[in-house]
Amino acid sequence: KNQVEQSPQSLIILEGKNCTLQCNYTVSPFSNLRWYKQDTGRGPVSLTIMTFSENTKSNGRYTATLDADTKQSSLHITASQLSDSASYICVVSASGGSYIPTFGRGTSLIVHP
Amino acid sequence: GAGVSQSPSNKVTEKGKDVELRCDPISGHTALYWYRQSLGQGLEFLIYFQGNSAPDKSGLPSDRFSAERTGGSVSTLTIQRTQQEDSAVYLCASSLNPAGRTGELFFGEGSRLTVL
Repeated sequence: KNQVEQSPQSLIILEGKNCTLQCNYTVSPFSNLRWYKQDTGRGPVSLTIMTFSENTKSNGRYTATLDADTKQSSLHITASQLSDSASYICVVSASGGSYIPTFGRGTSLIVHP
Repeated sequence: GAGVSQSPSNKVTEKGKDVELRCDPISGHTALYWYRQSLGQGLEFLIYFQGNSAPDKSGLPSDRFSAERTGGSVSTLTIQRTQQEDSAVYLCASSLNPAGRTGELFFGEGSRLTVL
């Protein structure tokens, strides 16, 4: 069964600090992995996509990594800002005709001033 | 429109009533998804439409839930005889889904349903 596990479930950090969110998956055959950001009361928005051949990708202060061998991904946030407070969701898609991606439960990040 | 549009944004109904939630996807997106998100929980897949193909209804929690997509565009999610446990935010997403892989999902703002 395809599964995506995220850790930690929640995280509280001070503004300006860095943090790393983890995602482990068992989706097969692997196609791509996306990190979405969901602000409170809004729909999720894609931050980055990782494909099999990519190890790291940055989007501003967000850097995602992928280890396809261990089936792990991380999202690193540098110099956190209050606006980074949100839920971060790891979503993994399979190849071969299945168009229903597997969602993790998300990590709730709170950035305090 | 520029993005996925959902209506109503908020709906309060009494237990036992039927409700309809509407989703207008991004023009040209062939794929449309419905998800349910209960308070503080992750997204739960409900149903998937792709072009003119038969929808994947594997996520619908009961036969009280149904959805249709007319003309490959607008979709309506119907919940009959609502129960209090149906209270949640219902999110719609659309995607281009190039052949062989799932594209980026673009979400609407959601419809918050409260069943009294």
